[in-house]
Amino acid sequence: DIVMTQTPSSQAVSAGEKVTMSCKSSQSLLSSQNRNNYLAWYQQKPGQSPKLLISWASTGESGVPDRFIGSGSGTDFTLTISSVQSEDLAVYYCEQYYDFPRTFGGGTKLELK
Amino acid sequence: QVQLKETGPDLVQPTQTLSITCTVSGFSLTTYNVHWVRQPPGKGLEWMGAMGNGGGTDYHSAFKSRLSISRDTSKSQVFLKMNSLQTDDTAKYFCARAYGTYDVMDAWGQGASVTVSS
Repeated sequence: DIVMTQTPSSQAVSAGEKVTMSCKSSQSLLSSQNRNNYLAWYQQKPGQSPKLLISWASTGESGVPDRFIGSGSGTDFTLTISSVQSEDLAVYYCEQYYDFPRTFGGGTKLELK
Repeated sequence: QVQLKETGPDLVQPTQTLSITCTVSGFSLTTYNVHWVRQPPGKGLEWMGAMGNGGGTDYHSAFKSRLSISRDTSKSQVFLKMNSLQTDDTAKYFCARAYGTYDVMDAWGQGASVTVSS
């Protein structure tokens, strides 16, 4: 199984700060056939289901604010929030869909400083 | 609009079988795959298995011996059945859709909370 490792597990932030979080996979998620990275980022607020933010490592979903930026390739990926808003306080998960079983990282929880 | 809704029991006794239904609307089960993901209280997400748009299934090896996923396309429903439940199966169970076999889960249900306890 592909192991997904997210760091940090939690981060205290202030509104307006730039935030970065990391996701590393135990094997490459880059397809040699189509050059796509099979990596997604989800946001989960308390009591809610996960919401897809980013697919293919860097493609923002429709309606997602452009302050959410996905980057990286191969085994190292980053989610950046350019200027954190109060509504961004949540847990963020990365997920690989390169192979079965699908696997998720342990999550990064954004908290208020 | 696209909706997925999980329905199932709140409480299941140890050793018994869990049955959850995912009823979908706004898309077809013959076009989209439906995945099952669970989340124990206060913990992360765990993929369990999926029903493909062609009717095939994939299961996580951790559950393979006790998990079954089926569907009724006429009712737009996907079913999860898992037997031999234990207390560590207490979790919220989500269904989610994905367009392709190797594609993201772009819409999720609100989840069904299940407690395993005597």
